[in-house]
Amino acid sequence: DTAVSQTPKYLVTQMGNDKSIKCEQNLGHDTMYWYKQDSKKFLKIMFSYNNKELIINETVPNRFSPKSPDKAHLNLHINSLELGDSAVYFCASSQGLGTYTIYFGEGSWLTVV
Amino acid sequence: DQQVKQNSPSLSVQEGRISILNCDYTNSMFDYFLWYKKYPAEGPTFLISISSIKDKNEDGRFTVFLNKSAKHLSLHIVPSQPGDSAVYFCAASGGDTDKLIFGTGTRLQVFP
Repeated sequence: DTAVSQTPKYLVTQMGNDKSIKCEQNLGHDTMYWYKQDSKKFLKIMFSYNNKELIINETVPNRFSPKSPDKAHLNLHINSLELGDSAVYFCASSQGLGTYTIYFGEGSWLTVV
Repeated sequence: DQQVKQNSPSLSVQEGRISILNCDYTNSMFDYFLWYKKYPAEGPTFLISISSIKDKNEDGRFTVFLNKSAKHLSLHIVPSQPGDSAVYFCAASGGDTDKLIFGTGTRLQVFP
């Protein structure tokens, strides 16, 4: 049973489109995250939600909007996709903020053409 | 500003030998450190962690060492196995941030 699952795993779309990536965790964790791994392999946090409340919002363009309908789900919606948005997006969760181990999903490979 | 650095992008080790992966950090407020392992087309998987109150933590073949004065940690894998071939990320958190800051990864290849 997958602990952190995200869909779709692969997504190819045209510039200007709007797309969503869904994430669910069945670990009973309170905190969920979106990370982005770019072409240089840097793994950087984008957003963090704790009990459905936005806690961390890095300097991400406002075309990216996370939505947490409940603490087991954190979806990522991206408007007006640009070529530079091509990356791997990882959803993750942890028991809480701070010194807790973070568990990652398998990643969603987004390619914007 | 890269607060967590893994200066070796790759490492090649013979099966059965020791693999040593290194990581340096700049923020002296970091107090929790982790190592993740990542296979291609998969997400990072938690491997082992250490808090700043310790200088060593061991779990089977994996040992993490922390040298706070040097702001350096290392992961030792003994003995190395071909299945250990993956990208290893170190990460750190603490101080004034709840964020987990990752290094850029080291690709380990264990050959027979």
